[in-house]
Amino acid sequence: EAGVTQFPSHSVIEKGQTVTLRCDPISGHDNLYWYRRVMGKEIKFLLHFVKESKQDESGMPNNRFLAERTGGTYSTLKVQPAELEDSGVYFCASSPYPSPYEQYFGPGTRLTVT
Amino acid sequence: QKEVEQDPGPLSVPEGAIVSLNCTYSNSAFQYFMWYRQYSRKGPELLMYTYSSGNKEDGRFTAQVDKSSKYISLFIRDSQPSDSATYLCAMSLNTGNQFYFGTGTSLTVIP
Repeated sequence: EAGVTQFPSHSVIEKGQTVTLRCDPISGHDNLYWYRRVMGKEIKFLLHFVKESKQDESGMPNNRFLAERTGGTYSTLKVQPAELEDSGVYFCASSPYPSPYEQYFGPGTRLTVT
Repeated sequence: QKEVEQDPGPLSVPEGAIVSLNCTYSNSAFQYFMWYRQYSRKGPELLMYTYSSGNKEDGRFTAQVDKSSKYISLFIRDSQPSDSATYLCAMSLNTGNQFYFGTGTSLTVIP
């Protein structure tokens, strides 16, 4: 069974540019999560989808971040415009219903904003 | 105050040693407790999860939860060089949706 995949693995952009991160969850997993790890800090929750609906977006830092999940399959996280403090590793995770505690993580996208 | 505290280490042990990794937390409402292993430049890999208090064993790994002390542990028996990684604890409320992570403990097992 394929795991959670993320694309790209690494992105370097300039401040003010736009970046879109993609996540493909494990097939059949209704729950999809985005997390972020800023250097030296713990992994922090951003938001949670159940199928195509946003269940909880309490961790989204501001309105420069937009997440979508098309047809309940893959998800994208867009940062527009990017700021220096957005640098970090963005992880996607998925879990089956009804086991939200069994979250499987992707390899992450390392975002560097210069 | 952080929700979850974890000693970052680094921790270095000889091969075959028993390793003890720990986290403390402040929110008594946490119900699910997870341990992840993360190799360098990889995503966190789910090792074990437990619900509420008690012990859970899986091969060389044992997870313990003491809710009265707000303290969780992961024990690794007969540690191997392949166990060298960063170990992350995570916990969640009863809904289980949002995980709260520790910063991770870096472990090196020396052959």
